[in-house]
Amino acid sequence: EPEVTQTPSHQVTQMGQEVILRCVPISNHLYFYWYRQILGQKVEFLVSFYNNEISEKSEIFDDQFSVERPDGSNFTLKIRSTKLEDSAMYFCASSEQGSNYGYTFGSGTRLTVV
Amino acid sequence: AQSVTQLDSHVSVSEGTPVLLRCNYSSSYSPSLFWYVQHPNKGLQLLLKYTSAATLVKGINGFEAEFKKSETSFHLTKPSAHMSDAAEYFCVVRNSGNTPLVFGKGTRLSVIA
Repeated sequence: EPEVTQTPSHQVTQMGQEVILRCVPISNHLYFYWYRQILGQKVEFLVSFYNNEISEKSEIFDDQFSVERPDGSNFTLKIRSTKLEDSAMYFCASSEQGSNYGYTFGSGTRLTVV
Repeated sequence: AQSVTQLDSHVSVSEGTPVLLRCNYSSSYSPSLFWYVQHPNKGLQLLLKYTSAATLVKGINGFEAEFKKSETSFHLTKPSAHMSDAAEYFCVVRNSGNTPLVFGKGTRLSVIA
């Protein structure tokens, strides 16, 4: 069964450093997403991406965050200057058509900012 | 605005007994509803989804859920729990269209031998 692949599975970074979280969506999917889950809290939407541009973003997704699809397969989330409160599990997801279809989520990247 | 309330943060059942995980939703539109499961240190796996077809939806691993519009509920059930069902379960709503998923807080299911 096709999978969404995320790397690394766990990343530790110092406050103020830049991090890039990587995702390989399912190859024929057109919609891509990032969600995050702070420990003990709900899974929250960050951003959706379609046709090489952001289609929607949440309040969390401020200027410190950016997304990119640098080639035909990867989808990345960059945090420019990490804060302690960015520590969370970050999930990438992709969807074939977007509306009314279940997303396929990756296993997540646990980001720890120290 | 759409929202999801999972009524129980933790449910504990004995192996072989029925499972009921409760979910109520709020949505301005005809929503799509999903249940996802998260095993420890794993990603989110889709169990089942409702998208305005049959109101009783069957999913993987023997789970099913019934969409009840009058009660705005989408409870997840399984006739007989297995040890491998122990995990975190998320009820998720999405308005029709291309809006983001909205997650409930999750229900941790424990299965006792």
